[in-house]
This record gives sequence, structure tokens and C-alpha cells, in this order.
Amino acid sequence: GQNIDQPTEMTATEGAIVQINCTYQTSGFNGLFWYQQHAGEAPTFLSYNVLDGLEEKGRFSSFLSRSKGYSYLLLKELQMKDSASYLCAVRDRGAGTALIFGKGTTLSVSS
Amino acid sequence: KAGVTQTPRYLIKTRGQQVTLSCSPISGHRSVSWYQQTPGQGLQFLFEYFSETQRNKGNFPGRFSGRQFSNSRSEMNVSTLELGDSALYLCASSPGTGGAYNEQFFGPGTRLTVL
Repeated sequence: GQNIDQPTEMTATEGAIVQINCTYQTSGFNGLFWYQQHAGEAPTFLSYNVLDGLEEKGRFSSFLSRSKGYSYLLLKELQMKDSASYLCAVRDRGAGTALIFGKGTTLSVSS
Repeated sequence: KAGVTQTPRYLIKTRGQQVTLSCSPISGHRSVSWYQQTPGQGLQFLFEYFSETQRNKGNFPGRFSGRQFSNSRSEMNVSTLELGDSALYLCASSPGTGGAYNEQFFGPGTRLTVL
């Protein structure tokens, strides 16, 4: 079966750095995605990892360790607009494009 | 390119009724996936359609069904509605081919309330 765990809530202040962790178990790993979802809106794509290592995209970076079943999303220079839910999702080999999501981490950024 | 569109945006039904939701994917995308989002369970995968065929299915009862048309538009149907079916139903489209990286683009969702 598949299982994805991430913290339920996190808080941080503007300008800080925050790391959101995600651990997963899957029978045939075929990629890990991070999505951002603001309240009342659709999820939007942030990053994709399929090989071990760090992928950097501006203020956002995502890391993957397949042997540990572990990923993190790193957000730098936090802004108030980064307050949102961050969703970790994995894709199984042979499962088409379907994604299995964790329950999401709600990040609150305060001034 | 226009994004993923879903209709209707909001729907109120009563227990026992059935409902049909519609999704139009991004032009050129052949894969459409459906998800149910609730506060308690998060985003849960319902099914995926690719070239008019159901390619994958999540762990939902048979009351949940779907189909895809030749123009890639998709519909999902929920019969004999229960209170627990109240949720945001999200549709996501992707090219569907070309390897592991197939970013899913989400529509705005249909908010279903069952009374």
C-alpha cells in the first residue's frame, strides 16, 4: 500500500526559512511532487523530484532521498503570501499519472 | 492556453439523489484525473481516464463512476448521494504520456454539498 506523512501545521515569520518534511511508502516509486494550495483555490504545482538530490526553483527547493522514502520542501525568505497548505504527493509506477497525496501541511506566516 | 474548467462550481443536493460533474482539460491533454478533497481525508484519488479508457481507480465505492469523451472532456457521476460525499471535487489534466514527469494541472473544483 501507499502511505504519505507530513506535519499537519507549521508556523514561521516573514523572512525566515522553513522546511516541510514528507515521508512516504510506496510499492513502485515513480516521482514525488509538491503542490501549494491557498484556501479556496486549486492546488498549483511547485516541484518534481524523481532522482535523489536537490531541485532549486527560486525561493523554493525540494529534496528527495529514495532510499529513505523522504523528501522536504524548503521555503526561503518567507512572505505572507506563502501562507497556504503544502501537499506532498507520490506517483506509483504503473499508475498512469495518478497522484497519491498526503493530507497537507498548513503553513502560517506571520509578520 | 485556457486552463482546466469544471462545471458547475457549486452544487447542493439531497441524500439519495445523483449528481454529474463535468471537466474540460487543457487543450491537447489526454489524461483526466478526479480527486475528492475533504478536511479530514485531504485529497484522495478517485480515477484517471486516458484516451476514453479508465486507466486507474482509487478506493471508492461503485457509486462513483466516470467517463471520458473523444474530445478528452470527462464527467464523473455519484449515485445515491450520502452526507459524507460532501466535498470539493477536483479535476486535473495532464498530457498523459512521455514518461514520469506529467505535471497535473488542477481545475477550480466543484463544491458539492449533500443535505
